[in-house]
Amino acid sequence: AQKVTQAQTEISVVEKEDVTLDCVYETRDTTYYLFWYKQPPSGELVFLIRRNSFDEQNEISGRYSWNFQKSTSSFNFTITASQVVDSAVYFCALRSNDYKLSFGAGTTVTVRA
Amino acid sequence: GAVVSQHPSRVICKSGTSVKIECRSLDFQATTMFWYRQFPKQSLMLMATSNEGSKATYEQGVEKDKFLINHASLTLSTLTVTSAHPEDSSFYICSAKTLYSNQPQHFGDGTRLSIL
Repeated sequence: AQKVTQAQTEISVVEKEDVTLDCVYETRDTTYYLFWYKQPPSGELVFLIRRNSFDEQNEISGRYSWNFQKSTSSFNFTITASQVVDSAVYFCALRSNDYKLSFGAGTTVTVRA
Repeated sequence: GAVVSQHPSRVICKSGTSVKIECRSLDFQATTMFWYRQFPKQSLMLMATSNEGSKATYEQGVEKDKFLINHASLTLSTLTVTSAHPEDSSFYICSAKTLYSNQPQHFGDGTRLSIL
């Protein structure tokens, strides 16, 4: 069974602070994909990043970066120099071999000016 | 890039009404589409997998007679909430899978359903 855990329910920061969102997953698949999505108040899901299970290289894309640690089954996501527009609910998701997505409970990020 | 269109974006109707939601892949063929439901302040839960030309497969606990899914073409899947009641009020969102396994699923913008 697939399981994604986002232990942080809410995070509140002041603009320009960094925000790190935690994600821990469980799967029996040897091949899988991990995702981070952003859901602003309007409701749509915005794709942010994807990582496959074979690639543990951590990267930076603009103000976003991620830390994939297969040994601890973690896929953490960091927003650097946060902005008010980053305020949203962030979901970590795991895609199994049948392409179904299992979502974490979500972390609500509030960035205050 | 790949785009998924979902319609309508918002529905408000009386209890007992049946509501149809459309999910279209605009510039690619989607043999498989997925329907998710999200209650307020909760996560997204997969309801069913829609396969073109065959019956949908439903997740445990989802009533197939309540949530009718039709995937008649490679670009369109529909979800019909039959005889909707207030407890069916939720945010419904679809996604479509491309032919390429390394691509993320593309989501529609969702439908906010409110049953009075």
